[in-house]
Amino acid sequence: EIVLTQSPGTLSLSPGERATLSCRASQSVSSSYLAWYQQKPGQAPRLLIYGASNRATGIPDRFSGSGSGTDFTLTISRLEPEDFAVYYCQQYGRSPETFGQGTKVEIK
Amino acid sequence: EVQLVESGGGLVQPGGSLRLSCAASGFTFSNYWMTWVRQAPGKGLEWVANIKEDGSEKYYVDSVKGRFTISRDNAKNSLYLQMNSLRAEDTAVYYCVRRLGGWFDFWGQGTLVTVSS
Repeated sequence: EIVLTQSPGTLSLSPGERATLSCRASQSVSSSYLAWYQQKPGQAPRLLIYGASNRATGIPDRFSGSGSGTDFTLTISRLEPEDFAVYYCQQYGRSPETFGQGTKVEIK
Repeated sequence: EVQLVESGGGLVQPGGSLRLSCAASGFTFSNYWMTWVRQAPGKGLEWVANIKEDGSEKYYVDSVKGRFTISRDNAKNSLYLQMNSLRAEDTAVYYCVRRLGGWFDFWGQGTLVTVSS
């Protein structure tokens, strides 16, 4: 099983700042089969990024994904008030598909 | 508009059974793999099971193998999860999810399953 470790656990930032979230895999994720999701309290997760760097439909361009192999990054270039949430990475290159434990982005 | 609406959650005693349903609309259901993902209270996300478009292939996380069964009825645009021998650690919100290329592009709002005596 591929274990995904996200860091930091919590990121305290102000609106307008840049957020950099990390997702590290215990084994190489084949073909960059990695996705990112956003979840707000009481809501279902929402797909942000797939294939490590492809934005899902309707996702603002302030969200970007990068990385390959075992190291992946989600960057939010300028935080908007609605971006404060929990973010999860997910690998789908090898079964079982696994998620990271999440990074909470909170208002400083 | 894609919609996934789960139902069937509730309180069940350890060892009991429950059947979750998911009604899909707004897309051609029979063209997509479908998935159940769960989230224990205050915890992260866990993939539970996948089913191929025609139901011919099914995959499960080890912790539910032999206890849970995923199925679908393409004529009714519906996805199901039969859960038997439930344990306290199965307590979670269960999401019905559309799978596209391996990632999950649409999620239902979830249904809460509580296993407790």
